[in-house]
Amino acid sequence: GENVEQHPSTLSVQEGDSAVIKCTYSDSASNYFPWYKQELGKRPQLIIDIRSNVGEKKDQRIAVTLNKTAKHFSLHITETQPEDSAVYFCAASYQAGTALIFGKGTTLSVSS
Amino acid sequence: KAGVTQTPRYLIKTRGQQVTLSCSPISGHRSVSWYQQTPGQGLQFLFEYFSETQRNKGNFPGRFSGRQFSNSRSEMNVSTLELGDSALYLCASTSSGGAYEQYFGPGTRLTVT
Repeated sequence: GENVEQHPSTLSVQEGDSAVIKCTYSDSASNYFPWYKQELGKRPQLIIDIRSNVGEKKDQRIAVTLNKTAKHFSLHITETQPEDSAVYFCAASYQAGTALIFGKGTTLSVSS
Repeated sequence: KAGVTQTPRYLIKTRGQQVTLSCSPISGHRSVSWYQQTPGQGLQFLFEYFSETQRNKGNFPGRFSGRQFSNSRSEMNVSTLELGDSALYLCASTSSGGAYEQYFGPGTRLTVT
């Protein structure tokens, strides 16, 4: 079955810096890759996703890149702010809307 | 539209008991997935229901089961509770019409003593 590895497990940056979180997946059949942000005590919130027919997607300060050949995808956050502090999860699925296999999460801390 | 709702929000049970958790998806969403979240294992997929049929199942023992009703509401049941079942149980409903994003509910925090 699918396995998703996520690195790093913790990431500390200064406000205004960029943050990059990387994930690799094992199943070449996976074609949907969402990213979720989870603040303490709250539900995971979808922040961006990408499908396998797209190499990059941007939404304001957030971007995701996908390399299907290498089977890895990354989340890029630019101009980080303290409110970006949270746990970020990557996930993979062979079909959008069905079983998501999650990485272990990255705790991002943005200090001002 | 109202978001995904889950009841109850908190639950304390004793080992050996069984528990039923409920999830109401966003109006119009026909797919509901369940996930278990623990500090050690992270977010793990339990099962997914679409139009009252289980479409996918994760790697959990048969003590974990679920069902979906004709109005898309879903329940999951855990029988013979073990201490290791203590977790946050999240359900997610999936949008349709080509988008297919999953939106999570607030979760049910289950504590087994």
